[in-house]
Amino acid sequence: KAGVTQTPRYLIKTRGQQVTLSCSPISGHRSVSWYQQTPGQGLQFLFEYFSETQRNKGNFPGRFSGRQFSNSRSEMNVSTLELGDSALYLCASSLDWTSPEQYFGPGTRLTVT
Amino acid sequence: TQLLEQSPQFLSIQEGENLTVYCNSSSVFSSLQWYRQEPGEGPVLLVTVVTGGEVKKLKRLTFQFGDARKDSSLHITAAQPGDTGLYLCAGQGAQKLVFGQGTRLTINP
Repeated sequence: KAGVTQTPRYLIKTRGQQVTLSCSPISGHRSVSWYQQTPGQGLQFLFEYFSETQRNKGNFPGRFSGRQFSNSRSEMNVSTLELGDSALYLCASSLDWTSPEQYFGPGTRLTVT
Repeated sequence: TQLLEQSPQFLSIQEGENLTVYCNSSSVFSSLQWYRQEPGEGPVLLVTVVTGGEVKKLKRLTFQFGDARKDSSLHITAAQPGDTGLYLCAGQGAQKLVFGQGTRLTINP
């Protein structure tokens, strides 16, 4: 069974631009979560989607948004990029929102200059 | 706010030695997971513990969940260079997964 895939793997953007990251979960998994990982803050929860609905949201500004499609694929968008948004963005999928085990993709490394 | 504190943050030991990594909180978690992350990759799930006092073994790795479900430990016996990586504990909180800061483990040949 194929794992979680994320595209693109690497991205360089300029301050003020916006970016969209994509995540395809493991087949059959219906819950997708997004995390931001930085050396200083570690792994921080962004949001979780299940059946196209956002179930939970972390403590991030409104510039960070996401959505989930009917095939469970998910995208996250960051508008008006800031230097501090440089991070590894990880997507994780699980069977459903009650499943504690999460399976992570390789991440998208975003660099904002 | 639920927080998980891992210790030590960094650990460098020689091949063949034993080590223990701790994950502590003042909050109760319904379950706790351990992940290992290697450079350029996402975290890989190692184990999930659910019951207070539960002990799980994965080859040379032993995971324990505290009786009160507030803490956990990971013990590695006879560490090998392939064990090198970032070890993360994560607790299932009210609605989301809460991660510790991680323990960066280096096993020197």
